[in-house]
Amino acid sequence: NAGVTQTPKFQVLKTGQSMTLQCAQDMNHNSMYWYRQDPGMGLRLIYYSASEGTTDKGEVPNGYNVSRLNKREFSLRLESAAPSQTSVYFCASSWTGGDTGELFFGEGSRLTVL
Amino acid sequence: AQSVTQLDSHVSVSEGTPVLLRCNYSSSYSPSLFWYVQHPNKGLQLLLKYTSAATLVKGINGFEAEFKKSETSFHLTKPSAHMSDAAEYFCVVGRSGGYQKVTFGTGTKLQVIP
Repeated sequence: NAGVTQTPKFQVLKTGQSMTLQCAQDMNHNSMYWYRQDPGMGLRLIYYSASEGTTDKGEVPNGYNVSRLNKREFSLRLESAAPSQTSVYFCASSWTGGDTGELFFGEGSRLTVL
Repeated sequence: AQSVTQLDSHVSVSEGTPVLLRCNYSSSYSPSLFWYVQHPNKGLQLLLKYTSAATLVKGINGFEAEFKKSETSFHLTKPSAHMSDAAEYFCVVGRSGGYQKVTFGTGTKLQVIP
């Protein structure tokens, strides 16, 4: 079982360049999430999609856009990268419902913006 | 409103000795509480969760945590550390309804000395 797959694993961008991080899950989960992880700050939610066809802003959405392409895929786009977006990005998925169960993570995408 | 505080950013123990990772939380609701582990260059993995059932929760790899409402704590323990336990651990507080409503702690790095 692949679980949650993210691509690319590493990327270096110059300020102002754009890129898209891809994420796919094969667990038939309804909800998908994009987080960023910075040293000493834990994980912060960028955007989430509670179900196919819906997306909503999280704690730190500025400078990002997302697309829930179908139930399996949830992409994160940086339109004009800035050095402050240097981070490790994690995609995750879970069931939606009254019980907040387990969150399944990809292995991360390490982005450096010069 | 909710928040979570991990009281130690780094903990160092000798192999075979007990592990204690401390977490305090604040929540306006009856909280759900989680511990996740992140091994180097990997995504996070659920260790255990508390969702208002038994206050002593057992997780994977011999870890357990006790929910203490009077102390607003959810400390993670293990009787005997193993080298493979070296990782970063995140305490998470939330409530039912999906991971868009959770807050991650800033993490505790556990070092295990042979």
